[in-house]
Amino acid sequence: SAVISQKPSRDICQRGTSLTIQCQVDSQVTMMFWYRQQPGQSLTLIATANQGSEATYESGFVIDKFPISRPNLTFSTLTVSNLSPEDSSIYLCSGQGVYEQYFGPGTRLTVT
Amino acid sequence: AQKVTQAQTEISVVEKEDVTLDCVYETRDTTYYLFWYKQPPSGELVFLIRRNSFDEQNEISGRYSWNFQKSTSSFNFTITASQVVDSAVYFCALSEGDQYNAGNMLTFGGGTRLMVKP
Repeated sequence: SAVISQKPSRDICQRGTSLTIQCQVDSQVTMMFWYRQQPGQSLTLIATANQGSEATYESGFVIDKFPISRPNLTFSTLTVSNLSPEDSSIYLCSGQGVYEQYFGPGTRLTVT
Repeated sequence: AQKVTQAQTEISVVEKEDVTLDCVYETRDTTYYLFWYKQPPSGELVFLIRRNSFDEQNEISGRYSWNFQKSTSSFNFTITASQVVDSAVYFCALSEGDQYNAGNMLTFGGGTRLMVKP
């Protein structure tokens, strides 16, 4: 199994600023993903983080707003840019293991 | 496009009751994987089970059981003799993949909030 950690666990940010979330996996995974969970809602995939190349974004999510990096097989970052109150959510990263997708504990973002 | 529907947004039961959480899915692929995850109030996602599309055998794990029926595109989850600690949001999810791995994005259902009262 894989253990995924995220930093920070929570943050409160002002409108117009940016937050970068780090995701670290303790072992190599084939694929890494970033999800958003808005308050009281389900999880929605933001993008697939590709090692050494640009992330693959889902409909409704763009690179300018959610730039993602994945410099190696065990680490990825998600930046949420130009924050607005609508960005207040939990952001989760996940890594694909052989059998299941492992999830980090999430980063709870509040934008004021 | 794939889709997962959990029609029950919230269920409330009294401890020791049995409860079934429904999940209906849509996909055009013949090879796919179905999952259940639990999200307790602490927020982390806990993996419960994975099922692939070519294995319709039902599964039991302690008080948990899963009923997979391709004919009705359903993958329902039953908790027997529910306990207060079962209170959580439960998500059903689907991914498309090949026979050897499920290495694709997950499409989640809307989730079912289960409240077990003492």
